[in-house]
Amino acid sequence: DQQVKQNSPSLSVQEGRISILNCDYTNSMFDYFLWYKKYPAEGPTFLISISSIKDKNEDGRFTVFLNKSAKHLSLHIVPSQPGDSAVYFCAASDGAAVNKLTFGGGTRVLVKP
Amino acid sequence: SAVISQKPSRDICQRGTSLTIQCQVDSQVTMMFWYRQQPGQSLTLIATANQGSEATYESGFVIDKFPISRPNLTFSTLTVSNMSPEDSSIYLCSVAQQGTEAFFGQGTRLTVV
Repeated sequence: DQQVKQNSPSLSVQEGRISILNCDYTNSMFDYFLWYKKYPAEGPTFLISISSIKDKNEDGRFTVFLNKSAKHLSLHIVPSQPGDSAVYFCAASDGAAVNKLTFGGGTRVLVKP
Repeated sequence: SAVISQKPSRDICQRGTSLTIQCQVDSQVTMMFWYRQQPGQSLTLIATANQGSEATYESGFVIDKFPISRPNLTFSTLTVSNMSPEDSSIYLCSVAQQGTEAFFGQGTRLTVV
């Protein structure tokens, strides 16, 4: 039973355009959500997070949107750059153990020059 | 953010043997976790490494197969015991302070032949 799902395994986008990555969750106890980026042969790198008390959090080119009623979040990258090509993981946790993360399957993003 | 060093970075092991993976952090951290990423899969939490006491394992993982030590606030080991090809994965150490996001080591790529 996958509690966090990323239904798009891959995404290809032109440099300068917007990348939109989607993530759905089923566990209503989740109240903290994170996005990680992973390059080959490296560990995941934290990108941005959002608490369930917010519906948007922005950090530079990265914005995360949370729709609690739909149990859906998305990551927007604007503008996309070739260095953004990586696998992006959505992760979630509940307040009882904020750093015990449940990960989605990942979305491989390719930004074409 | 903490600097996390994992050793070894990769290894090829014979089935039936055991491998111990080390995770060293450059500062004291409250929480340490071990994750596994099987080929083509997402990251799955194995256990929480508790300082001075037995690790807390997630469903599907047991101490006999994945013994964990955490003798202090900067160091932990994960042993993969009696290995089979199904244990071929990337094993990742993760650390966090209370109230901060989790950071990951670069991972240990294990191949069992």
